[in-house]
Amino acid sequence: QVQLVQSGAEVRRPGASVRVSCKASGYTFTTFYIYWVRQAPGQGLEWMGRINTDSGGTNYGQKFQGRVTLTSDASITTAYMDLSRLRSDDTAVYYCARVDRGSPSSVTPLDNWGQGTLVSVSS
Amino acid sequence: SYVLTQAPAVSVAPGKTATITCGGNNIGTKSVHWYQQRPGQAPLLVIYDNDDRPSGIPERFSGSTSGNTATLTISRVEAGDEADYYCQVWDSIGDYVFGPGTQVTVL
Repeated sequence: QVQLVQSGAEVRRPGASVRVSCKASGYTFTTFYIYWVRQAPGQGLEWMGRINTDSGGTNYGQKFQGRVTLTSDASITTAYMDLSRLRSDDTAVYYCARVDRGSPSSVTPLDNWGQGTLVSVSS
Repeated sequence: SYVLTQAPAVSVAPGKTATITCGGNNIGTKSVHWYQQRPGQAPLLVIYDNDDRPSGIPERFSGSTSGNTATLTISRVEAGDEADYYCQVWDSIGDYVFGPGTQVTVL
């Protein structure tokens, strides 16, 4: 079965960086994009960006341009989200999710999600 | 960017029907997806492309769109349906946009 397993919780100081990993299994890794979505405590879902796991091409939400870097390694079916210059309002649960590359983005949902990774930023 | 609106909360008695709406400009022309998020869990896709159900999602969940409103309907509500529900569309500038979420309480 399809699984996206994320790395464990992280605690960082303001100004630091964090990396969250997302290990995929149960499907052909390069046929799906990996998307990253975050959720601040008690808040809604916020799209951060996506990576084409075949080409490495990325798209980032305007809010995160310049601070987030998405990468992936098809040889180990793992995607990564790096977030730099952390602030206290970056405290959130970060999710990875997959989207079928074979269909237009305009009609394709996030059909499987990782379990989420809590990133806490505090001095 | 495209904005979606949702009522913050809906309450429904067991066995009754819950109606959750998502507003957006001409949303009826877009493909709308719905996610269920139970407390402490990751979101789960329950409706995609307006009215399709992924395998494993009960038939009690249905979706529709018209004009400026998309609707998720949960028939014969059960205690396990208590969760936050988010609508989502793709914005023409390439972003995935989520609604603010509706908390469904089963009385």
